[in-house]
Amino acid sequence: EPEVTQTPSHQVTQMGQEVILRCVPISNHLYFYWYRQILGQKVEFLVSFYNNEISEKSEIFDDQFSVERPDGSNFTLKIRSTKLEDSAMYFCASSRQGALNSEQFFGPGTRLTVL
Amino acid sequence: RKEVEQDPGPFNVPEGATVAFNCTYSNSASQSFFWYRQDCRKEPKLLMSVYSSGNEDGRFTAQLNRASQYISLLIRDSKLSDSATYLCVVTDTGGFKTIFGAGTRLFVKA
Repeated sequence: EPEVTQTPSHQVTQMGQEVILRCVPISNHLYFYWYRQILGQKVEFLVSFYNNEISEKSEIFDDQFSVERPDGSNFTLKIRSTKLEDSAMYFCASSRQGALNSEQFFGPGTRLTVL
Repeated sequence: RKEVEQDPGPFNVPEGATVAFNCTYSNSASQSFFWYRQDCRKEPKLLMSVYSSGNEDGRFTAQLNRASQYISLLIRDSKLSDSATYLCVVTDTGGFKTIFGAGTRLFVKA
């Protein structure tokens, strides 16, 4: 069964460093998403991406964040200068159609720890 | 008011019990509704979509009341494997932004 994969599973970084979280969505999916979940808190929407551009982003997704689909298979989330409060689980998701009509399939997540 | 609000948990029930979860959402223009399940430290997985007419999938029944902006999930004949956090999920009018509730934790005991 096709699945969304994410690497690395755990990333430890120093405050102020840049990190890139990588995702490989399911191959015939067209819509891509990033979410984060701070430990013990709810899943929070960060950004959705379709047709090589951002469709929607939340207030969390400020100038420190960017997304890219560099090669038609990977979907990346970059945090330019990490803060302590960026420590969280980051989930990538993809769907064949938009979220209105289609299940989102989530990857297993990358746990980001900012020291 | 929170965008998506769920019953506070946890719910502790014996095997075989029936349990109901409630959820309310604040944006009357919301378009799509889902229940996801999240096991501890794992990714969310779709349990079922929720339609205005109500829908059932085995032991699970979901209902949507648009007028009251209320969504429910009923689990009949609870199994130990149903122990998880149940997430109420709402998609906005454009369909590009998905809002998760904080989740309701369920523990099913033997």
